[in-house]
Amino acid sequence: KQEVTQIPAALSVPEGENLVLNCSFTDSAIYNLQWFRQDPGKGLTSLLLIQSSQREQTSGRLNASLDKSSGRSTLYIAASQPGDSATYLCAGQNSGGSNYKLTFGKGTLLTVNP
Amino acid sequence: GAVVSQHPSWVICKSGTSVKIECRSLDFQATTMFWYRQFPKQSLMLMATSNEGSKATYEQGVEKDKFLINHASLTLSTLTVTSAHPEDSSFYICSARARVPYEQYFGPGTRLTVT
Repeated sequence: KQEVTQIPAALSVPEGENLVLNCSFTDSAIYNLQWFRQDPGKGLTSLLLIQSSQREQTSGRLNASLDKSSGRSTLYIAASQPGDSATYLCAGQNSGGSNYKLTFGKGTLLTVNP
Repeated sequence: GAVVSQHPSWVICKSGTSVKIECRSLDFQATTMFWYRQFPKQSLMLMATSNEGSKATYEQGVEKDKFLINHASLTLSTLTVTSAHPEDSSFYICSARARVPYEQYFGPGTRLTVT
């Protein structure tokens, strides 16, 4: 059974700082790894998806990496802005009999202070 | 990008009544949709997997007779909370899975309050 852990649970940084969010998973037979953003009371916005054959994905100021052998993924946010404040969720997707369902971590609550 | 809608966005109902929540994929066909619930300050918990044209698969501990799921078309899945109780109050979120690479796109969520 896949288990996903995110560290830290909360992070507060000043505007402009670069930061890294960590995600670890127990089952290395992962199909995809997705990073999401959730604003309070809202649904999820997909940020990046890394397929198992890939090692990283980039979108603007975001870069996500995947290391299946160590069971880790990181989300790097460059030059953070107050608008980046949200909860960031990492989710592992397993294939086959799991119907490609996602297993979520508990999230990292990010606060970027002006 | 792919868009998933949910309706209603929020609903208040009385204990004992039933509530239906719709989830639609607006610009792609989704053979599989997922229903999650989220309690305050908690992560998403998968309730069930819905495949078009077949019965839903429920996660352990989720009452299938209480949370009725119907996936009648490739763009619509519904979740009906039957005989709702205050403990069913939660944030319900659906997602629709695209084809390869099987990325999931999430709806905006439905806030259910049972009084």
